[in-house]
Amino acid sequence: IAGITQAPTSQILAAGRRMTLRCTQDMRHNAMYWYRQDLGLGLRLIHYSNTAGTTGKGEVPDGYSVSRANTDDFPLTLASAVPSQTSVYFCASSDGGADYNEQFFGPGTRLTVL
Amino acid sequence: GQNIDQPTEMTATEGAIVQINCTYQTSGFNGLFWYQQHAGEAPTFLSYNVLDGLEEKGRFSSFLSRSKGYSYLLLKELQMKDSASYLCAVGDSNYQLIWGAGTKLIIKP
Repeated sequence: IAGITQAPTSQILAAGRRMTLRCTQDMRHNAMYWYRQDLGLGLRLIHYSNTAGTTGKGEVPDGYSVSRANTDDFPLTLASAVPSQTSVYFCASSDGGADYNEQFFGPGTRLTVL
Repeated sequence: GQNIDQPTEMTATEGAIVQINCTYQTSGFNGLFWYQQHAGEAPTFLSYNVLDGLEEKGRFSSFLSRSKGYSYLLLKELQMKDSASYLCAVGDSNYQLIWGAGTKLIIKP
């Protein structure tokens, strides 16, 4: 693995189903993030984690949950998917340094909820 | 509230120069980033400014004025591969990045 990987690449999901998007990084970055990207809108932060064992809510957390059991993995779960969660989801990571927060992105997961 | 503004779309000619502007209002300031995003791909880092002035990196330069809440990305000698969206992002007081909606740059031959 080099950088950040996400799985699946794309998924079509029936409304009401539970879904976990996977994200793994091998850069030993402390901070990790989940964003959604919708046409005409900027990247919107769903949840973040500044270090293993801690998580926080971003701008649009409702309907999503995360966990950070270790440094490398940061899965995002949709407990009961709704059509408004149709989007492209990006996982990102950074060193989390206080004065420089360059974020590195995974390739994204394109999710369609019907 | 927090707000990042950038034009939705710009068109330029191959070989020319284009300037993409970004204005911001955020709670605190911890640097301004520019990212490039090709269609269907992830954003990739282009530049970072934390002090006022111009940062040059090859064909790309980025300028920051903190007092005006303003930045621009300057792309010189445009190539067709520069057709992409350019995202402006500002680090806020919580060191989270606040993102603009992006500027789609179309390069014509």
